[in-house]
Amino acid sequence: AQKVTQAQTEISVVEKEDVTLDCVYETRDTTYYLFWYKQPPSGELVFLIRRNSFDEQNEISGRYSWNFQKSTSSFNFTITASQVVDSAVYFCALRIPGGGNKLTFGTGTQLKVEL
Amino acid sequence: SAVISQKPSRDICQRGTSLTIQCQVDSQVTMMFWYRQQPGQSLTLIATANQGSEATYESGFVIDKFPISRPNLTFSTLTVSNMSPEDSSIYLCSVIGDNYGYTFGSGTRLTVV
Repeated sequence: AQKVTQAQTEISVVEKEDVTLDCVYETRDTTYYLFWYKQPPSGELVFLIRRNSFDEQNEISGRYSWNFQKSTSSFNFTITASQVVDSAVYFCALRIPGGGNKLTFGTGTQLKVEL
Repeated sequence: SAVISQKPSRDICQRGTSLTIQCQVDSQVTMMFWYRQQPGQSLTLIATANQGSEATYESGFVIDKFPISRPNLTFSTLTVSNMSPEDSSIYLCSVIGDNYGYTFGSGTRLTVV
């Protein structure tokens, strides 16, 4: 069975600080997909990134970057120069192709960015 | 990627009643997924809805409590039946979009009093 662990329940930072959100996953499959979603207070889920298990290249998109390391089963998310608008709950999720295409979510990390 | 319109966005319901949530997608999709997010919790898959067949429910969820309809490739409904305060949650529908990116509806915030 697959599992996603986000050990950080809540993180508070001051604006302009860098912050890293941790995600550790468990699966026996060699093919899988990892996702990050942002859930602002309004409640909708905003897709941030998808990464497949064969692509270990790290990715940068503006102030966001992702570090995928299969050796440690981690897919961490870093926000550089955080802003108040980054305040949200961030979810890491895992999909196994043979698992009915469902997403297994971590418990989420509440990020609070203060002035 | 697909755009999902989900209704209602929020509702306050009396216990013992039922609420039907609708999701309309702007393109044809094979699978639609229904998730529940209890207050302060993560998302849990309720069921997968395929057009033309019965929905597949996850462990802990039953059709009598959460009946689902999928009349065509762009529309689905989830009904929360005989509601109790424990059903107070955000309910979200989701589809698989381009490149296996999952798109979610805006969610339905349900409060049962």
